[in-house]
Amino acid sequence: KQEVTQIPAALSVPEGENLVLNCSFTDSAIYNLQWFRQDPGKGLTSLLLIQSSQREQTSGRLNASLDKSSGRSTLYIAASQPGDSATYLCAVNRGAQKLVFGQGTRLTINP
Amino acid sequence: GAVVSQHPSWVICKSGTSVKIECRSLDFQATTMFWYRQFPKQSLMLMATSNEGSKATYEQGVEKDKFLINHASLTLSTLTVTSAHPEDSSFYICSAYRDSTYEQYFGPGTRLTVT
Repeated sequence: KQEVTQIPAALSVPEGENLVLNCSFTDSAIYNLQWFRQDPGKGLTSLLLIQSSQREQTSGRLNASLDKSSGRSTLYIAASQPGDSATYLCAVNRGAQKLVFGQGTRLTINP
Repeated sequence: GAVVSQHPSWVICKSGTSVKIECRSLDFQATTMFWYRQFPKQSLMLMATSNEGSKATYEQGVEKDKFLINHASLTLSTLTVTSAHPEDSSFYICSAYRDSTYEQYFGPGTRLTVT
């Protein structure tokens, strides 16, 4: 059974810092991995999608990496801003587009 | 960008009644949609896969007679919580799979409170 773990559960950093969020998964047989952002009481916004054959994806200040063999992914946020405060979720596609989510990292950027 | 809507955004109902939640893909067709539930401070758990023109497939432990899913068209899936009880109170989120981008696009969620 695929399990996804995100560390840390919560993170608070001053504005302007670069930071890394971690995601690990137990079964390396995945189709892709996706990072999402969730604001309180809201749905999910897709940030980055990495196919199993890819090593990383970049969008603006965000960079996500994938090491399928070790079951790890990281989300790097450069020059953090207060507007980046949210819960970040990673999810692996275990097949048939069925996503298994981690518990999320609650990020707070302090002005 | 791809947009998925849900209606209603929140609903309060009495124990024993049924509630229907709609999920629509507004600017693309989705043969496959998914329903998730999320308890406070927890992650999303997949409940079922909704397939246009065929029966939904449910994850282990999800009661299909309690959570009725109908994928009526390529842009609409509905989830009906039948005979709701307080333990069904949760945040229900749908997603629609877009073939051209291999991504799922999520709706804004529906908060259900059963009193």
